[in-house]
Amino acid sequence: DQQVKQNSPSLSVQEGRISILNCDYTNSMFDYFLWYKKYPAEGPTFLISISSIKDKNEDGRFTVFLNKSAKHLSLHIVPSQPGDSAVYFCAASFSGSARQLTFGSGTQLTVLP
Amino acid sequence: DTGVSQDPRHKITKRGQNVTFRCDPISEHNRLYWYRQTLGQGPEFLTYFQNEAQLEKSRLLSDRFSAERPKGSFSTLEIQRTEQGDSAMYLCASSRRPGLATEETQYFGPGTRLLVL
Repeated sequence: DQQVKQNSPSLSVQEGRISILNCDYTNSMFDYFLWYKKYPAEGPTFLISISSIKDKNEDGRFTVFLNKSAKHLSLHIVPSQPGDSAVYFCAASFSGSARQLTFGSGTQLTVLP
Repeated sequence: DTGVSQDPRHKITKRGQNVTFRCDPISEHNRLYWYRQTLGQGPEFLTYFQNEAQLEKSRLLSDRFSAERPKGSFSTLEIQRTEQGDSAMYLCASSRRPGLATEETQYFGPGTRLLVL
């Protein structure tokens, strides 16, 4: 049973436009959400996070929105750049002893020049 | 500022052999995690250390897998009697236990890609 889902395996966007990556979760205990970016043959790189007490967090070109009632979060990248092309993973955790991350299956973003 | 490092980056082995991977976390981080990632999937949690204590293990971690973190610094993950199904990317992450805040961000190493023939 996938607790974190990224239903779009791939997304193509024109350079300069907005990229919107979506993520849904089922476990209402999750209270901290993160987005990671991954290039081939590398480990995931942390991008941005959001706590469940907020509904928006912004860092430069990246903004994460959280809709707790819908159990949905999204990552907006504006403006998109060719260097943003990578696999993006949504991850979630909840308060407890381990804070282990539960990941979605990822979305391959391709930004076209 | 050195990040999380892992060694080796790649390992090819024959079925039935034992392999050991090493992870060096960010120096001030007291929490260390191991994950496994297979093709087309996100990383899956394997086990977690706080300092030298292994506090949680996933059901994915069969008896053939063992992890250690002596002295609360680097960690090793050993797979005994490897099987073809063990082929995956093994990722290590570290974090600092938050104080009053609940937010905790894990930083990942480059991973060790294992291929079992």
